[in-house]
Amino acid sequence: KAGVTQTPRYLIKTRGQQVTLSCSPISGHRSVSWYQQTPGQGLQFLFEYFSETQRNKGNFPGRFSGRQFSNSRSEMNVSTLELGDSALYLCASSWGTGTGTYEQYFGPGTRLTVT
Amino acid sequence: DAKTTQPNSMESNEEEPVHLPCNHSTISGTDYIHWYRQLPSQGPEYVIHGLTSNVNNRMASLAIAEDRKSSTLILHRATLRDAAVYYCILGWGAGNNRKLIWGLGTSLAVNP
Repeated sequence: KAGVTQTPRYLIKTRGQQVTLSCSPISGHRSVSWYQQTPGQGLQFLFEYFSETQRNKGNFPGRFSGRQFSNSRSEMNVSTLELGDSALYLCASSWGTGTGTYEQYFGPGTRLTVT
Repeated sequence: DAKTTQPNSMESNEEEPVHLPCNHSTISGTDYIHWYRQLPSQGPEYVIHGLTSNVNNRMASLAIAEDRKSSTLILHRATLRDAAVYYCILGWGAGNNRKLIWGLGTSLAVNP
């Protein structure tokens, strides 16, 4: 069974631009969660989608948004990029919703650099 | 938010057992205890999780204190491949609003 895939793996953008990241979950998984990882803050939860509905959201500004498609693939978008948005963005999938209950399977991440 | 406390770093020798501690004194009755690890340049990898009872799987064992305010991840025989950052996390919240609260983890070094 293929793992979680994320595209692109690396991205360089300039301040003010917007970016869209993509995540394909493990086949059969309907929950997709997104995280931001930085050296100082560790992993911070962005949001979770299940059956095309956002089920949970972390403490990030409205510039960060996401969506999920009927095939469970998910995208996250960051508008008006800031230097502080430079991070590794990780996507994780799980069978059920409620990330605290089911084990999550992570992709390799997208490394975003904002200049 | 419920949080966990772990040592910043630990060191072990190859083929010896490793006990990674975690304190979670504010845990609530419905919080699951999860452990993940992250190898360099990779996304986190699920290790084990439990609620109240000790748990075993092919990777590790999870020992949960009776009051649930602490837990220990046990790697029975460390290998070089086990060198990683280990995260102890609580599945905080309830029902569909449950989410994982991550800390900075314990960086485990394994000596040959």
